[in-house]
Amino acid sequence: AQSVSQHNHHVILSEAASLELGCNYSYGGTVNLFWYVQYPGQHLQLLLKYFSGDPLVKGIKGFEAEFIKSKFSFNLRKPSVQWSDTAEYFCAVNARNYGQNFVFGPGTRLSVLP
Amino acid sequence: DAGVTQSPTHLIKTRGQQVTLRCSPKSGHDTVSWYQQALGQGPQFIFQYYEEEERQRGNFPDRFSGHQFPNYSSELNVNALLLGDSALYLCASSLQGATDTQYFGPGTRLTVL
Repeated sequence: AQSVSQHNHHVILSEAASLELGCNYSYGGTVNLFWYVQYPGQHLQLLLKYFSGDPLVKGIKGFEAEFIKSKFSFNLRKPSVQWSDTAEYFCAVNARNYGQNFVFGPGTRLSVLP
Repeated sequence: DAGVTQSPTHLIKTRGQQVTLRCSPKSGHDTVSWYQQALGQGPQFIFQYYEEEERQRGNFPDRFSGHQFPNYSSELNVNALLLGDSALYLCASSLQGATDTQYFGPGTRLTVL
């Protein structure tokens, strides 16, 4: 079965610390990869996406992610977090051989302390 | 340019009842997907509609059904509600049912008592 795992359930950082959130998926074929963010009380918003090409993709608000095909990973990074980055982060995968739906990871809650 | 809209925002039902949730896709989008997000979990795919037909379905029972209208808006129906159906129901829209970015609405919070 298709699955997406996220390494951490809850991450707590101080402002200006660097962030890396892990995401691994279990598909053998071609995939599209996404990171979505859900700020408190708001709807899911797209942070960044990878379809093909350069495996290092840049998104909004200073976030970036690196696709490592050999490791089936798509980790999210930010060099310096802000209090406003406090949110739930979801990795999602669309495996082209499996149809049109997205499979989401369980999410990682990020708390940034001022 | 309106984004994805959903109604109602909140809903409280009792076990055994039926509920209908509504979604209007982002302008220009023709494909609607529905997800269930239980508290503390990631969204789980329910089904996707394109050209008024269900194209793909996740691992949800037949109590969950849907419909897409000619204007691309969609409804999610849940019959014989169970306590476990309490969740945030998300609608996402995209183009042409392809593996494109999905844009999410704010969701409908369903509470089953």
